[in-house]
Amino acid sequence: QTVVTQEPSLTVSPGGTVTLTCASSTGAVTTNNYPNWFQQKPGQPPRALIYGSSNKHSWTPARFSGSLLGGKAALTLSGAQPDDEADYYCLIYSGAWLFGGGTKLTVL
Amino acid sequence: EVQLVESGGGSVQPGGSLRISCAASGFSFGDSWMHCVRQVPGKGLVWVSRISPDGTDTTYADSVKGRFTLSRDNAKNTLYLQMNSLRAEDTAVYYCAADIVPGPGIDYWGQGALVTVSS
Repeated sequence: QTVVTQEPSLTVSPGGTVTLTCASSTGAVTTNNYPNWFQQKPGQPPRALIYGSSNKHSWTPARFSGSLLGGKAALTLSGAQPDDEADYYCLIYSGAWLFGGGTKLTVL
Repeated sequence: EVQLVESGGGSVQPGGSLRISCAASGFSFGDSWMHCVRQVPGKGLVWVSRISPDGTDTTYADSVKGRFTLSRDNAKNTLYLQMNSLRAEDTAVYYCAADIVPGPGIDYWGQGALVTVSS
């Protein structure tokens, strides 16, 4: 059974840059895994940010970007704002769709 | 505007059944893959199931295989999750989600329906 791993928690300073990663236990994450990224704030459903590794939705703030980095999917936030404090989840396809455990991002 | 509205959540005893419906609007429902995702309050997201646009292709997580059935009525723009043989560990918020933008994944989410399995 594939396990998808994310950093449990990260902290970034306002205006700073942080990279969240998403790793697969079966090997490198590639474009064939179609990585998606989501943001979830307390009491709300998730909101899609990135699909297909690096494609942004029309509503995705420009400060978010997705990529593949060292065999992992990555979500980079450049110029963090207090409103970016949330849980972030990756989703990949590996025979079935699988979510990572999520990263709690603190902006402090 | 894309809207996904779940209904049918509630409380049920272990071993019981429940059906969640998801009414879709604002997009071409019959052309879209649909997903079901669940989340135990305070915990992470767990992918549960997906169904093809014509309803002929379904995939399930191992944890629900054989107990849950995802189906759709494209004439009614509605997705259904039939949950049988429910267990305490199935207690969660169940989200209906749509893959609309070209490129596999999930683009839009419903507000979720809480299912509580308890005696």
